[in-house]
Amino acid sequence: QVQLQESGPGLVKPSETLSLTCTVSGGSISSYYWSWIRQPPGKGLEWIGYIYYSGSTNYNPSLKSRVTISVDTSKNQFSLKLSSVTAADTAVYYCARNPYYYGSGSYYPLNWFDPWGQGTLVTVSS
Amino acid sequence: QSALTQPRSVSGSPGQSVTISCTGTSSDVGGYNYVSWYQQHPGKAPKLMIYDVSKRPSGVPDRFSGSKSGNTASLTISGLQAEDEADYYCCSYAGSYTYYVFGTGTKVTVL
Repeated sequence: QVQLQESGPGLVKPSETLSLTCTVSGGSISSYYWSWIRQPPGKGLEWIGYIYYSGSTNYNPSLKSRVTISVDTSKNQFSLKLSSVTAADTAVYYCARNPYYYGSGSYYPLNWFDPWGQGTLVTVSS
Repeated sequence: QSALTQPRSVSGSPGQSVTISCTGTSSDVGGYNYVSWYQQHPGKAPKLMIYDVSKRPSGVPDRFSGSKSGNTASLTISGLQAEDEADYYCCSYAGSYTYYVFGTGTKVTVL
């Protein structure tokens, strides 16, 4: 079964760029959509954005100006970059898979997240 | 886009049923049959419990069921068990601008 694992620095300085990678194992990254979701300590979940294995993306409008999600199919990985971070970006960051369906000649994401990675805590602090 | 509204906490004794509500608007919950529910134990990643309002993934006990009426979705846990004690989050598709909005989360306590 497919497993996801987040990796990256656990501490980022204010105004710098947060960078995380999600490695997919037990299955191919192809044909699926892949999401990043975050959860500030003690708070709820927030969808950040997703990428299709071909490279097309969609982002949460509230974060769109600071977010870039990219994919490396040769490594079965996708990545998140969040620029100009502040303390408000301190959170556990999860990667997750969106299943898909095929219709009218195209692939579309299904609207749930499964499975999820274990999550990685990123703290923004000087 | 505001988070969907869930009760902060619900509780029940073993064997009882509890229902968690998830209230949104006609732009999210009420506009699409794309509500999903996630269970999260402390320090763990969320786990998919319900998708497309009422469908259960393979491996999820049939004690978990979902429904929707208007702008409010609900998750019902029947025959409550100790291992059901966790936080639960709803999530709805919200159109091709916002995409996904999560609920505020509900803590389920088994008395």
